Amino acid sequence: EAGVAQSPRYKIIEKRQSVAFWCNPISGHATLYWYQQILGQGPKLLIQFQNNGVVDDSQLPKDRFSAERLKGVDSTLKIQPAKLEDSAVYLCASSLLGQGGYEQYFGPGTRLTVT
Amino acid sequence: SQQGEEDPQALSIQEGENATMNCSYKTSINNLQWYRQNSGRGLVHLILIRSNEREKHSGRLRVTLDTSKKSSSLLITASRAADTASYFCATDRSNYQLIWGAGTKLIIKP
Repeated sequence: EAGVAQSPRYKIIEKRQSVAFWCNPISGHATLYWYQQILGQGPKLLIQFQNNGVVDDSQLPKDRFSAERLKGVDSTLKIQPAKLEDSAVYLCASSLLGQGGYEQYFGPGTRLTVT
Repeated sequence: SQQGEEDPQALSIQEGENATMNCSYKTSINNLQWYRQNSGRGLVHLILIRSNEREKHSGRLRVTLDTSKKSSSLLITASRAADTASYFCATDRSNYQLIWGAGTKLIIKP
């Protein structure tokens, strides 16, 4: 079974530039999560999708971050314009149906450096 | 918001020794999960324990849960170099989300 795919793996941009990350979850997983992980901290949820609908985006900085999941499969996360504090690893995860008690499967992440 | 807090923040032991990590949380849960993160394999699920369970085993891993104390522990027996990683506990929220702690960084010395 193929795992969660993410690209790119690494990205370096200057502040005020824009960047986009792509995620392809495990086939059949209805729930998709985007997390931000700053070095030395645990993952912080940015947005959760159930199929192509948003379940929770309360911690997404909507003035600069946006995300979509067209057709309930692939997802993209965009930052525009980027700030220095956005430097982090962006993790995508998926799970079956999003029901309590199901584990989350993570992609390798995208390491973003904003200079 | 951070629900789980792992203790200690860092742990360094000799290969072959046992490693114990603790997690405390604040509000009631349905289940608690432990994950491992290293540079090679990313963030990987280890074990899930439900609120009505007290202990669970998986290979060299043993997890306990004490809901009265709102705490959990992860024991890794006979540690190996490959166990070097950060270990996170994550507790569930009602809308199928996980709340993560800051993790315990485990180093296994040869």
